[in-house]
Amino acid sequence: DQQVKQNSPSLSVQEGRISILNCDYTNSMFDYFLWYKKYPAEGPTFLISISSIKDKNEDGRFTVFLNKSAKHLSLHIVPSQPGDSAVYFCAASDGTGNQFYFGTGTSLTVIP
Amino acid sequence: DTAVSQTPKYLVTQMGNDKSIKCEQNLGHDTMYWYKQDSKKFLKIMFSYNNKELIINETVPNRFSPKSPDKAHLNLHINSLELGDSAVYFCASSQDQGGWGGYTFGSGTRLTVV
Repeated sequence: DQQVKQNSPSLSVQEGRISILNCDYTNSMFDYFLWYKKYPAEGPTFLISISSIKDKNEDGRFTVFLNKSAKHLSLHIVPSQPGDSAVYFCAASDGTGNQFYFGTGTSLTVIP
Repeated sequence: DTAVSQTPKYLVTQMGNDKSIKCEQNLGHDTMYWYKQDSKKFLKIMFSYNNKELIINETVPNRFSPKSPDKAHLNLHINSLELGDSAVYFCASSQDQGGWGGYTFGSGTRLTVV
């Protein structure tokens, strides 16, 4: 049973515009969330995190928003750059099992 | 200098064979993991070790046996390979036991069983 879902397998955005990647989860006990970025033939790299005590966390061009009532988080990239083209995974944890549950990823293409 | 390195990068083998994937991290992290990414791109934890001790063992067939000779290494040995074992296997490490600060992943090993 997949507890973390990324329902959009792909997204295309023009360079300079905003990219919004979405993630939904089913387990209300999840309280910590991470986003990873993955280039082809490489492992995922950690991008940004958010704890359930916050509803927003920002790091440069990347902002993650958390809506606990909707069990939804999103990653905003502004402005998008061609180098952002990658697969983005969200991951969630309930803090008890020492593990994170991953979504299946969204492939972002930023068009120059 | 690669932080988490795993070898081989590609592995093609026949059903029934036994194979190993090696992983080493030079970050000084105490916790290491093996993740499997299947054909549906679903990334799922298999094992985690903290300072050479098994912490997580998900519902993985016992044909899969992790071995951690020291905290910098976590190797994965697979016996009697099956077609369904074909996947990309990622090794990872983290500074904390829960991965709260994020994992550092290796570049993956694409295993194809024919």
